[in-house]
Amino acid sequence: QQQVKQSPQSLIVQKGGISIINCAYENTAFDYFPWYQQFPGKGPALLIAIRPDVSEKKEGRFTISFNKSAKQFSLHIMDSQPGDSATYFCAASSEETSGSRLTFGEGTQLTVNP
Amino acid sequence: EAGVAQSPRYKIIEKRQSVAFWCNPISGHATLYWYQQILGQGPKLLIQFQNNGVVDDSQLPKDRFSAERLKGVDSTLKIQPAKLEDSAVYLCASSLGRGREQYFGPGTRLTVT
Repeated sequence: QQQVKQSPQSLIVQKGGISIINCAYENTAFDYFPWYQQFPGKGPALLIAIRPDVSEKKEGRFTISFNKSAKQFSLHIMDSQPGDSATYFCAASSEETSGSRLTFGEGTQLTVNP
Repeated sequence: EAGVAQSPRYKIIEKRQSVAFWCNPISGHATLYWYQQILGQGPKLLIQFQNNGVVDDSQLPKDRFSAERLKGVDSTLKIQPAKLEDSAVYLCASSLGRGREQYFGPGTRLTVT
């Protein structure tokens, strides 16, 4: 119930391409869905987040698409750049049932080739 | 605005030894979290504080792990005695309050030999 499943485990994209990472969850009480970017040796950095009252949120080249009925959400990185090469984690939390504890996916290692 | 500070950045100990990690959250952030990140996995919450009170420690191995947040600011996480499987990065995060955006520190990489 608390799991968040993330795919793919790794992704290789050419510069300028679109990177897509998907996550699925089971707990319908989840009400906050952030994405984090993590570079080697660094802590995760908040990239973008969405709440279930909207189906899409865009910030620059990063877009979250949210499908409440399917219990899925995805991160789209447009015009991917070599500097985007990092590990991306989706996460979810429920203020009501878990007091904002973030449950993370397993991560996707993105490589953007120049 | 200064971010979340953690020390040390790296620590190598032998099994059965004890170790402590320190975290200083972003100024004004009432909620503080400790996460464990095993290599190749996503972070997993160990304990969450609201000011100096524990909100959630359901996933903390209490027989060997302890944490405190005196005066509602800095926090320390201790492991005693350490096991090989405790090798991981220990991340501290903070937020203005519960349900708000969490900001992570750089982490402490622990290696238990």
